[in-house]
Amino acid sequence: DQQVKQNSPSLSVQEGRISILNCDYTNSMFDYFLWYKKYPAEGPTFLISISSIKDKNEDGRFTVFLNKSAKHLSLHIVPSQPGDSAVYFCAASSEGGGADGLTFGKGTHLIIQP
Amino acid sequence: GAGVSQSPSNKVTEKGKDVELRCDPISGHTALYWYRQSLGQGLEFLIYFQGNSAPDKSGLPSDRFSAERTGGSVSTLTIQRTQQEDSAVYLCASSFPGLGPTETQYFGPGTRLLVL
Repeated sequence: DQQVKQNSPSLSVQEGRISILNCDYTNSMFDYFLWYKKYPAEGPTFLISISSIKDKNEDGRFTVFLNKSAKHLSLHIVPSQPGDSAVYFCAASSEGGGADGLTFGKGTHLIIQP
Repeated sequence: GAGVSQSPSNKVTEKGKDVELRCDPISGHTALYWYRQSLGQGLEFLIYFQGNSAPDKSGLPSDRFSAERTGGSVSTLTIQRTQQEDSAVYLCASSFPGLGPTETQYFGPGTRLLVL
């Protein structure tokens, strides 16, 4: 049973426009959420995170929104740039630290078109 | 080092052979994690070390998998009698536990294992 779901395997966005990547989760114990970006043949790179006590966190072109009641989060990238083309993974964790590891979605392949 | 390093970067082995994967975490990071990513799948959590101790090994896929960490630094993941379904990218991550509920994990480049 997938606890973190990214229902769009791929997303194509024009350069300069906004990219919106979505993630849903089922485990109500999750209270910390992260987005990772992965290029081919490289490990995932941490992008941005949000604690469940917040509903928004912004870092430059990247903003993560959390809707706890809907168990939904999204990553907004604006404006989208060619270097943003990568696979984006949503991950979640519950309080108690990292002992249970992070639970990842299957990823969304973002393609930025010139 | 500057980041998490893993070796080998690629490993091709024959079914039934043993393999050993190595992870060097970021210096000073006390927490270390192993994950596996099979083709088309997300990352699957395998095991966590705090220092040299792994409190819960239930995430390991089978008893053919074992992991150890020595000196609070380098970790090895060993797969005995490899099977074709063990083919995957094995990723290691490390973190420094802080005051928050969860610390950010930093990943290595992974070891691509192919079992023929």
